[in-house]
Order: sequence, then C-alpha cells, then structure tokens
Amino acid sequence: GAGVSQSPRYKVAKRGQDVALRCDPISGHVSLFWYQQALGQGPEFLTYFQNEAQLDKSGLPSDRFFAERPEGSVSTLKIQRTQQEDSAVYLCASSSSGVSSGANVLTFGAGSRLTVL
Amino acid sequence: AQSVTQLGSHVSVSEGALVLLRCNYSSSVPPYLFWYVQYPNQGLQLLLKYTTGATLVKGINGFEAEFKKSETSFHLTKPSAHMSDAAEYFCAVSGNFNKFYFGSGTKLNVKP
Repeated sequence: GAGVSQSPRYKVAKRGQDVALRCDPISGHVSLFWYQQALGQGPEFLTYFQNEAQLDKSGLPSDRFFAERPEGSVSTLKIQRTQQEDSAVYLCASSSSGVSSGANVLTFGAGSRLTVL
Repeated sequence: AQSVTQLGSHVSVSEGALVLLRCNYSSSVPPYLFWYVQYPNQGLQLLLKYTTGATLVKGINGFEAEFKKSETSFHLTKPSAHMSDAAEYFCAVSGNFNKFYFGSGTKLNVKP
C-alpha cells in the first residue's frame, strides 16, 4: 500500500485481556519496527524484523509481549494479560533497507492507541 | 550506545517569529540524526535527516538543522513560524543497526 497501515486505531481492553495489534507495512519494505509511545514521551524501541526474521527484541518490556511477521510482510504485536502500564500508542514503522544501514528513513503508521482499564 | 535530549518540552512562538528547537545527542558511533514531526492522532513524519556530508540540512516546510559535532547538537530551526507548524517534534539518533532512539519531544505552539 501507499503507507503503513495499523489496526485497530483504538483499542480498549480490560486488565488481563489479550490484545493483538496489526501492522501492514509499505509493500516491499524489508525492515519493520514496533515502537511504544507512552503519553508525553517519545517512541521507545520494542522490536525489529528484517523480512520474517526477528533480529532484535531487546525492547520488549516483558514476556507478555510477542511479535511476529511470518511471511515477511504483515506483522502482529500481541500483548497477553494486559496491564494498565501497557496503555500507550503502539507505532509500527517500515523501511526499504535492511539492518546494515542506520541511515534508513522510517515511515510510520498512525499508531494503535491501547487503553487498559 | 545512543541517546537524545530535547531541551524544553513546550516552546511557544508568535507567528512569523524564529523557531528554535534544541536537540543534543550522545553516540558511541558516528550518528545519523533525524527530526520527525507528529500532528495529533497521526504517525511521525520525517522532516529532515543528517547522514554524512554537509552539516546544514534542509528539510520540508522550510525547516533546517545543523549538525555540530563539537557540541553534539542537531538543533532544528525555521526562520518564520506558521500556524500550521504547531505540532510535536522529535529528534532521533540512529547508529549502525537501524535502532532509532527518540527524544521525549517538544510541543511547538504558534500564537497568532
């Protein structure tokens, strides 16, 4: 597609529920990133995929967070047993180049705003 | 390791006045530096980037930034603010492996 598409745009979950957030990157983009943006903060890195390989998941805050990109295109970020501190905007970004270049431009989606009650 | 500090979480200027948003970075490798803008309920949009070469970088919407290695700074400027510039601005640094580190953002308010 023309841009990075994320769904749902808004999600309200009760504490303890599982949620799944979807990211549809720009067609053909090799790299895909997930970021978490808490209220009033800048985005913080969660995880990174190059094609279907998850090369870096060092930013995932706990083992309740899981991300996949099985066919190297669409990615899903899953949060199990949600907690209130998980409330944030989850941003997906994609890039046409791979891991070797830090100068890549990231194209961001509009984000999925998760509110955990 | 990389990190970014943005001085001033809120900046207010009058329409037509100079915009100056400050960014200092820390990087153990030659940095790639970026400024992104975020409008309400939208994703981040790239304003400009510095990779190598000319240290004064021009971006979209009349913004520019200057990479000063000696000061570890990458401040964003615009000579004349417009009402449509009101948004949140994020400075980011990237090292070798595409992991971006963002500052905490500066909200720009433009007064008529």
